[in-house]
Amino acid sequence: DTAVSQTPKYLVTQMGNDKSIKCEQNLGHDTMYWYKQDSKKFLKIMFSYNNKELIINETVPNRFSPKSPDKAHLNLHINSLELGDSAVYFCASSQDGGGYTQYFGPGTRLTVL
Amino acid sequence: AQSVTQLGSHVSVSEGALVLLRCNYSSSVPPYLFWYVQYPNQGLQLLLKYTTGATLVKGINGFEAEFKKSETSFHLTKPSAHMSDAAEYFCAVSKASNTGKLIFGQGTTLQVKP
Repeated sequence: DTAVSQTPKYLVTQMGNDKSIKCEQNLGHDTMYWYKQDSKKFLKIMFSYNNKELIINETVPNRFSPKSPDKAHLNLHINSLELGDSAVYFCASSQDGGGYTQYFGPGTRLTVL
Repeated sequence: AQSVTQLGSHVSVSEGALVLLRCNYSSSVPPYLFWYVQYPNQGLQLLLKYTTGATLVKGINGFEAEFKKSETSFHLTKPSAHMSDAAEYFCAVSKASNTGKLIFGQGTTLQVKP
């Protein structure tokens, strides 16, 4: 059973397009996250939701909009894609914040041409 | 503000040799500390973490790390490297709060030579 799953795994698109990445967790966790890993493998948090409520919103362009329809899902919608958005996006979940272990999905590699 | 520094972006060891990956952090409050491993084209997997209690923490695959508050360090070690240990390793810190926000170091690529 996959704990944290993301779709799609690869996403290739043109500049200016709008795209979405979906994330689902079957661990019963209350908190979900989006991280961005750039070409130098640096990881940075973008957003976090706890029980469908946004609790972390880092300085991310407002072209990025997370949506959590329920505790098990956290989607990421990106408008007007730019070349600099090319990266690997990871979804993660944890039972709560603090010292709880975050479980990561396999990642979505986004390439903007 | 919290930050994490991993000394050495690339570490190369021979199979069977000691693995030592260095991590130093800065935090104004007692932190939670984590080591994650990332194999090629995969997500991150927790190796071990320190929250409270014993400062020597044992993790999966024979790895361990020691929290040294006086040195603000959380170095990762393994007595004997295996070829399968070749991967990217990330040290991370979070505040003892409820947001769970992880601040990652820049990562260390571990190469294991036969």
